[in-house]
Amino acid sequence: DSGVTQTPKHLITATGQRVTLRCSPRSGDLSVYWYQQSLDQGLQFLIHYYNGEERAKGNILERFSAQQFPDLHSELNLSSLELGDSALYFCASSVGRDVPLHFGNGTRLTVT
Amino acid sequence: DAKTTQPPSMDCAEGRAANLPCNHSTISGNEYVYWYRQIHSQGPQYIIHGLKNNETNEMASLIITEDRKSSTLILPHATLRDTAVYYCIVYSNSGYALNFGKGTSLLVTP
Repeated sequence: DSGVTQTPKHLITATGQRVTLRCSPRSGDLSVYWYQQSLDQGLQFLIHYYNGEERAKGNILERFSAQQFPDLHSELNLSSLELGDSALYFCASSVGRDVPLHFGNGTRLTVT
Repeated sequence: DAKTTQPPSMDCAEGRAANLPCNHSTISGNEYVYWYRQIHSQGPQYIIHGLKNNETNEMASLIITEDRKSSTLILPHATLRDTAVYYCIVYSNSGYALNFGKGTSLLVTP
């Protein structure tokens, strides 16, 4: 158990809808990262938050947004969903720079 | 950011050593090499990391060449449960992993 909790585990929704994925980092970790993994693809970095502030953006679509709350949990919001958004979405946390990331078990999003 | 190159797949017999190579020829002096693995569709799991020296922990050993342009992850006695995708990552200047690429799919056979 990595200590990182992601909910829900599975999500099935229709095109055009909006969903929210939730991540609770390990106790003491201030950094939260979001990754997307499409079928047979590697993990693509989406966004990084540190102690409530956005620190870096990767290949994140404008339809996607995220935030980190004062209690350090984070939410990834996906809107105007398309079939191609179907993927595994992973959250990871860490204590800081140049340290291992600890991943949750992901949310599997299926857009129909 | 330094990019890495890994073979797409490898096989290893159970009980034998699995040696997974990684090339990172554009690595900078202050960038670490990290290895993670992903079993089925679970979240990636940290294995080991290093900067210059070889490293060993309870899971694996990491051998980094003197010029730091390549490294090898060694699983000394592979088991069926080591079947997974192994990612070699060079952390960016921001201090964390960006894209993981497709890694090496290791199949351990009986």
